[in-house]
Amino acid sequence: EDQVTQSPEALRLQEGESSSLNCSYTVSGLRGLFWYRQDPGKGPEFLFTLYSAGEEKEKERLKATLTKKESFLHITAPKPEDSATYLCAVQARHNAGNMLTFGGGTRLMVKP
Amino acid sequence: DSGVTQTPKHLITATGQRVTLRCSPRSGDLSVYWYQQSLDQGLQFLIQYYNGEERAKGNILERFSAQQFPDLHSELNLSSLELGDSALYFCASSVTSGNNEQFFGPGTRLTVL
Repeated sequence: EDQVTQSPEALRLQEGESSSLNCSYTVSGLRGLFWYRQDPGKGPEFLFTLYSAGEEKEKERLKATLTKKESFLHITAPKPEDSATYLCAVQARHNAGNMLTFGGGTRLMVKP
Repeated sequence: DSGVTQTPKHLITATGQRVTLRCSPRSGDLSVYWYQQSLDQGLQFLIQYYNGEERAKGNILERFSAQQFPDLHSELNLSSLELGDSALYFCASSVTSGNNEQFFGPGTRLTVL
């Protein structure tokens, strides 16, 4: 069974304090790993897709990396507007269609 | 704004009732997905349709059903509602049925009293 575990569950940072969020996954044949941002009461907002170990993608203050067992979302010099829940999800080759299996998320709070 | 629309935004109903949630995908997207998000279960995949046909099924209850119409909009029907069905229901869409990014709508918050 595919499993996605995110840590920490919650993270408090001061504005400008860089950190990383972790996503560990167990999947039989990874087709893709996805990062989303979700604000309270809103739908998840797509951030990145990673397909193979060693791949990296960047967008503003965010950088996502992928290994064979985990992915990291690095946040450089965060601002209060980066406060949100960050979700990691995997797509497996063995599944019909392309359902996403999500982790529980990391709730990030950035204080000014 | 992802381009995916969902109606209604909020729905309050009683146990035993039946409701229909509606989703319009982004222009050009052929695949529609339904997910349920509750506090204890997180975001869970329910079902996927591609160009009108069911493509994949998750842990969707037998009381729940969905369909995708020729104009590609989709409806999720929930019947014999129970208190535990209270959750946020999201629709997502993607261009094809491959490993494309899924874009989520704003969700429908269902409260069963």
